[in-house]
Amino acid sequence: EVQLVESGGALVQPGGSLRLSCATSGFSFSDHWMDWVRQAPGKGLELVGRVKLKTQNYITEYAASVKGRFTISRDDSKNSVYLQMNNLKPDDSALYYCADVRAHGNLWGRGTLVTVSS
Amino acid sequence: DVVMTQSPLSLPVTLGQPASISCRSDQSLGHSDGNTYLNWFHQRPGQSPRRLIYQVSNRESGVPDRFSGSGSGSDFTLKISRVEAEDVGVYYCMQGLYWPDTFGQGTKLEIK
Repeated sequence: EVQLVESGGALVQPGGSLRLSCATSGFSFSDHWMDWVRQAPGKGLELVGRVKLKTQNYITEYAASVKGRFTISRDDSKNSVYLQMNNLKPDDSALYYCADVRAHGNLWGRGTLVTVSS
Repeated sequence: DVVMTQSPLSLPVTLGQPASISCRSDQSLGHSDGNTYLNWFHQRPGQSPRRLIYQVSNRESGVPDRFSGSGSGSDFTLKISRVEAEDVGVYYCMQGLYWPDTFGQGTKLEIK
């Protein structure tokens, strides 16, 4: 059974940092680009970052809204992907999903909630 | 970023009736490899999104054949031939040709 389980979401003050984790199982993790997608409450979907494969030197890409503040990494030995978020802003408040948005099948987690507020 | 524009944003439909959602991109989504990178996702209330259709018209495994996708270039349509209760939720188009992949605003389908 395919599983993606995010963790690490919390209430954090503006300017603070948070590290999200996504533990996966049930599929060949190392063969998949992995994405972080966020959804503000009652709003649409925004792809914030992607990490590619070992064979692609783990290239990362970021949306302009988070570039320079967020860092994605992966550990293929642990089938896990991470999102380090620094200098958080209220606009970063959202449910954060790890996913492979391009994959066949349903490679999405259930999300972890990040709230940025003083 | 490529802007994806969906219409309508709200879609009340009677059970058993057809439904149609339009999606337009501000750039063509056709690639030189011959494929067009337009996807449709469905998000039920309280759930994660799930991809229904990839490359304009290809249904994912397990997606009922009442769902169909069409279009080319920058103009696309998702059609549901006969809406069922389980079809409620929000439908998103998403382009996967240009980084970052971008989603439409979403179309909320509800039963009348």
